[in-house]
Amino acid sequence: DQQVKQNSPSLSVQEGRISILNCDYTNSMFDYFLWYKKYPAEGPTFLISISSIKDKNEDGRFTVFLNKSAKHLSLHIVPSQPGDSAVYFCAASAGDMRFGAGTRLTVKP
Amino acid sequence: NAGVTQTPKFQVLKTGQSMTLQCAQDMNHEYMSWYRQDPGMGLRLIHYSVGAGITDQGEVPNGYNVSRSTTEDFPLRLLSAAPSQTSVYFCASSYLQGSYNEQFFGPGTRLTVL
Repeated sequence: DQQVKQNSPSLSVQEGRISILNCDYTNSMFDYFLWYKKYPAEGPTFLISISSIKDKNEDGRFTVFLNKSAKHLSLHIVPSQPGDSAVYFCAASAGDMRFGAGTRLTVKP
Repeated sequence: NAGVTQTPKFQVLKTGQSMTLQCAQDMNHEYMSWYRQDPGMGLRLIHYSVGAGITDQGEVPNGYNVSRSTTEDFPLRLLSAAPSQTSVYFCASSYLQGSYNEQFFGPGTRLTVL
């Protein structure tokens, strides 16, 4: 029972353009949402988060949008850089954290 | 601070063998957890601990044991390894359990069970 879903296993964008990574969830009890970034042979690292009482949170080039009615969140990276190439995990929490399967982002120079 | 450390980085076991994956953190975090990462499945919670002496099961606890004798250490034991336990294992910690706590992850242990 995957409560957090990332339906796109991979995404490729050109350097300087926008990257949009999507995530859907099913559990309406989730009250906090996070994005983690993972490079090969390393553990995931926290990127950005959003509380369920907000619909947008911005941190530099990264913005997370939350649409509670659609149970959907997205991560926007503008402008995308080659160093952003990694696997991005969406996570949602109602105490314990549930993760999506990840989206591999490739930013081409 | 070393953060969250895990040993070993790689391990190959035969079916039926037992072993312990080590995890330690030096951030004085109360909450520690173990996840496994499998292709197409994301990270799934195995066991977690909200403090020394307290542990509980996550989504996929079968075949694993944990203990938490100190705040710093949270070892994961495989009692009788099975090929289905081939995975990458991540230990994580956060200041407290609860939604508003970012988790810090270790570098992972890649386990292969033959």
